Amino acid sequence: GDSVTQMEGPVTLSEEAFLTINCTYTATGYPSLFWYVQYPGEGLQLLLKATKADDKGSNKGFEATYRKETTSFHLEKGSVQVSDSAVYFCALSDRMRRGGADGLTFGKGTHLIIQP
Amino acid sequence: GAVVSQHPSRVICKSGTSVKIECRSLDFQATTMFWYRQFPKQSLMLMATSNEGSKATYEQGVEKDKFLINHASLTLSTLTVTSAHPEDSSFYICSAGTSGGNTDTQYFGPGTRLTVL
Repeated sequence: GDSVTQMEGPVTLSEEAFLTINCTYTATGYPSLFWYVQYPGEGLQLLLKATKADDKGSNKGFEATYRKETTSFHLEKGSVQVSDSAVYFCALSDRMRRGGADGLTFGKGTHLIIQP
Repeated sequence: GAVVSQHPSRVICKSGTSVKIECRSLDFQATTMFWYRQFPKQSLMLMATSNEGSKATYEQGVEKDKFLINHASLTLSTLTVTSAHPEDSSFYICSAGTSGGNTDTQYFGPGTRLTVL
């Protein structure tokens, strides 16, 4: 079945550091890939997505490129801020496997802590 | 932006009782709603997919008689945990997909913490 593996946290960085959170996946079909972010006390919010190979999703300075050859969707940001502290989830939607439905398969989440 | 609410945010109940959790899309119509379950330090696990006006589709291993899902309108889905037991204690999260066929983008509720004593 489908699965998503992302690096375990917590990840602690200083402000303005470069961020990479690794994410790899296995899927039967041709999934769409997502990064969701969960700030303390809030629900998950879509951060960015990519729907086909070589697509790059970007938002709020974060980027991730859909790499079919390495089955990866690593999240990057050039200069993190304290306000980026949150839990980040990598996820996929495999509509082909699910017969058209869009339920998501999530990784375990990575807790990011940015120190001033 | 699209907002999804859940009620209650926390519930504590005795073993053997039933608990209902509501999921509402506040400013859009959701033809499809999803229910997830999250254990501590684990990923969200999809439990079921709910389409308005039809029976829910449950993931393998999820008991449909245990977790009753009703999606009676385009803005409301409910999850009822029947005859709850301590092992049902978890964080339950719903999400809603917008109308138009492609529900790749889902809007998530803040979750409901269920504790069964």
